[in-house]
Amino acid sequence: QKEVEQDPGPLSVPEGAIVSLNCTYSNSAFQYFMWYRQYSRKGPELLMYTYSSGNKEDGRFTAQVDKSSKYISLFIRDSQPSDSATYLCAISGDSGYALNFGKGTSLLVTP
Amino acid sequence: EADIYQTPRYLVIGTGKKITLECSQTMGHDKMYWYQQDPGMELHLIHYSYGVNSTEKGDLSSESTVSRIRTEHFPLTLESARPSHTSQYLCASSDLGGAPTPGANVLTFGAGSRLTVL
Repeated sequence: QKEVEQDPGPLSVPEGAIVSLNCTYSNSAFQYFMWYRQYSRKGPELLMYTYSSGNKEDGRFTAQVDKSSKYISLFIRDSQPSDSATYLCAISGDSGYALNFGKGTSLLVTP
Repeated sequence: EADIYQTPRYLVIGTGKKITLECSQTMGHDKMYWYQQDPGMELHLIHYSYGVNSTEKGDLSSESTVSRIRTEHFPLTLESARPSHTSQYLCASSDLGGAPTPGANVLTFGAGSRLTVL
């Protein structure tokens, strides 16, 4: 079983839609949960970071962690064409060192 | 603006050639990493370094080698390239425990080097 599972998509939505991106993980010891955004021909960049359970909001983006279900989500409100990118979840344990990445979900927001 | 730079961005070479992918960062990070990224696959760690003269192999077996003689520089070398080495190589660095994400290993990535071996 892989440490992190993420549906690669692609996911296509109209502009203004609410987008939900998800990952599941297998190791209950994971404590740090990150979302990276990767535009075409660029490297990934950190979008959101949460520690342990709960929600975190930053503008149109909300990261949610449910440790009981081993499930993390990224919500994008009022999606824009500029949000079109691949979104990767990354999860690590208490030591913080080793990151386990999902495959990334490709998102296309159409005008 | 990225503070970690990779060159070349794109490289097409023939089988058997020796290549070096360069990576430099200006953030003073101790930790640096090389990841391999293929379409539809997870990022796989192939090498990492926690400081000068420290290098370790990652989870994914790789025929490449790395060196860390200076804090800011972490080049990756393939002595004899093969078509199976065709991939995107991403360099990253981190400052574990630094603000605003204490305890989390937040990576800053370069733009990547796309290698094609014919």
